[in-house]
Amino acid sequence: AQSVTQLDSQVPVFEEAPVELRCNYSSSVSVYLFWYVQYPNQGLQLLLKYLSGSTLVKGINGFEAEFNKSQTSFHLRKPSVHISDTAEYFCAVSYFDNNDMRFGAGTRLTVKP
Amino acid sequence: DVKVTQSSRYLVKRTGEKVFLECVQDMDHENMFWYRQDPGLGLRLIYFSYDVKMKEKGDIPEGYSVSREKKERFSLILESASTNQTSMYLCASSWGGTPTEAFFGQGTRLTVV
Repeated sequence: AQSVTQLDSQVPVFEEAPVELRCNYSSSVSVYLFWYVQYPNQGLQLLLKYLSGSTLVKGINGFEAEFNKSQTSFHLRKPSVHISDTAEYFCAVSYFDNNDMRFGAGTRLTVKP
Repeated sequence: DVKVTQSSRYLVKRTGEKVFLECVQDMDHENMFWYRQDPGLGLRLIYFSYDVKMKEKGDIPEGYSVSREKKERFSLILESASTNQTSMYLCASSWGGTPTEAFFGQGTRLTVV
């Protein structure tokens, strides 16, 4: 069964520092990868997605992620975080041969002043 | 704008009650999903539907059933609510065919007492 592992449950970081949130997925021939953000008391909002093409994907709010097929990873990065980036971040995967979407356990990013 | 609407934000039900959670999307999406969100566990797929009257079990279908009689509406049913079903429930929808991002509702926080 397809699965997603987010390697860090919590990431504290100071404002304006860089951050990386790690995500690994179970391998498959064709994979589609997503990062979502959830602010307190809200639903999930898409940050970025990888469907095909360039392995470096840019998303909203200055986030980017790199698809690495050999390491089956899709880590999320931001060079300089802001207080408003404090939220929970979820990595998700879909595969070519089915329609469902599976999520990781989430990473809580806390940006401190 | 894309919209997925869940009928209630907060719900309190008694043990043994039959509970209906309703979700409506206005985007003519083929796929619809029900997830359960618990701290430290992320989003776990309960059921998904890829067409009217079609459904597939996700990772945790026990104690739940679903109904999709119209394309825009996907209902989650707790046949006999139990306290371990206290959770946040998230509905989502997406286009059929090649996997694309899912759009989420605001969630229903269900408390079973």
